[in-house]
Amino acid sequence: DSGVTQTPKHLITATGQRVTLRCSPRSGDLSVYWYQQSLDQGLQFLIQYYNGEERAKGNILERFSAQQFPDLHSELNLSSLELGDSALYFCASSYSGGYGYTFGSGTRLTVV
Amino acid sequence: AQTVTQSQPEMSVQEAETVTLSCTYDTSESDYYLFWYKQPPSRQMILVIRQEAYKQQNATENRFSVNFQKAAKSFSLKISDSQLGDAAMYFCAYRSAFLQTGANNLFFGTGTRLTVIP
Repeated sequence: DSGVTQTPKHLITATGQRVTLRCSPRSGDLSVYWYQQSLDQGLQFLIQYYNGEERAKGNILERFSAQQFPDLHSELNLSSLELGDSALYFCASSYSGGYGYTFGSGTRLTVV
Repeated sequence: AQTVTQSQPEMSVQEAETVTLSCTYDTSESDYYLFWYKQPPSRQMILVIRQEAYKQQNATENRFSVNFQKAAKSFSLKISDSQLGDAAMYFCAYRSAFLQTGANNLFFGTGTRLTVIP
């Protein structure tokens, strides 16, 4: 157990639907990062939150949004889902970042 | 944006032998961090080793060591005495040390799939 909890582990949904992925960071970590990994691809950075505030945006589609709550857990909302959104979505957390990031086990999203 | 390049999509090594995975990166910054992550079939991302750019000494973690060449912007991973459990995807990653905006996300390469042959 890495200390970063992601739920659900698997999600199957239809095109056009909306889903919410949840992440609880490791205790004491203030930053949460979301990454997307399509099949056999590298990890693409989506967005970073630090203590409730958005700090950086990567290749995140307008259909996607995220937030970090006062208890520091984060949610990634994906709407108007397309087949190409099928991927493994990782959440990671860090305190300062210089010592690496702790990753959750990911949520595998399948859009059918 | 910074880019990280892993030019070897696949590598293989005999058990107990040594293998080196290559990584190059492009940045105009002088201070940053570099990481190697391992992703086994379970898909969990596991930190293998990290290097601070201001340190000239190459990082080592047991059987894992890096060859950090700052001028060449190269950061290779050497795995000694390879074991079957080393079989995985290996990702090189870069993170800026410039924290004014607080943005400190990782930039990943496309990965190298390592096969360990018994």
